[in-house]
Amino acid sequence: EAGVVQSPRYKIIEKKQPVAFWCNPISGHNTLYWYLQNLGQGPELLIRYENEEAVDDSQLPKDRFSAERLKGVDSTLKIQPAELGDSAVYLCASSYGTGQETQYFGPGTRLLVL
Amino acid sequence: AQSVTQPDIHITVSEGASLELRCNYSYGATPYLFWYVQSPGQGLQLLLKYFSGDTLVQGIKGFEAEFKRSQSSFNLRKPSVHWSDAAEYFCAVWYSSASKIIFGSGTRLSIRP
Repeated sequence: EAGVVQSPRYKIIEKKQPVAFWCNPISGHNTLYWYLQNLGQGPELLIRYENEEAVDDSQLPKDRFSAERLKGVDSTLKIQPAELGDSAVYLCASSYGTGQETQYFGPGTRLLVL
Repeated sequence: AQSVTQPDIHITVSEGASLELRCNYSYGATPYLFWYVQSPGQGLQLLLKYFSGDTLVQGIKGFEAEFKRSQSSFNLRKPSVHWSDAAEYFCAVWYSSASKIIFGSGTRLSIRP
C-alpha cells in the first residue's frame, strides 16, 4: 500500500514569491491534515479536512496561506507571498476517520525562503 | 491549556544500553496517547499508541511505553538500543476538547558506538 505522497520534497524560493505544496493521502483515508514543523519542534496543525470540508483551519494564517482539497482526495497548500519565517517543513498526514485515529505522515516538504 | 512536555531535548546512550524517553501531558486529556519517530528527512512513523486497557503498550522495533494516569505520563522505553534507533522521538496526545493531536517538542536520540 502506498503511503502519503508529498511533492516537492525541497523548495527554495525568494521572499515574496508564491509557493505550493501537494499531497496525496493514503487511498481510502477521508481525513487529511497539513502540519507545520519548525526546526527542533513538533508538528503543529495548520488545517484538517474531512473529505472536502475544512473542519479546522483555526491555525492557518489566512492572510497568506490557503489550502484546498478538491474531490476529497489530494490537497494543495499555498503560501503567497512567502516570508522568511515560513522556512520550515510542511507535513501532510491522513487518517481513516477522525479524532484519535492514527495519522500517517508523508515525508514532508522542506521550504527555505531566502 | 493542552500541552505535551518532553523534558529531554537531546539524549545520548551507548549502543546496547537501555533507553527511557519521558513524556508528560496536561491534565484533562482523554488518554489517547502516541509515540512517533522521525528519521532525518523523513515523516513521522507511529511506534505505538495507547487508547485503553493494559497500561503497558508494545510497539514496533522493540519499543514499549507505559501509561501512568496518576503521573500524567507516557514514557517510552527500549531495553537495548541499536544504532539505527538514532532519530527524533515525539510524544503526542489526542485532546478531545480541542479535537486535535498535540505533539511534544521532541527528544533527539543519539547512539554512542
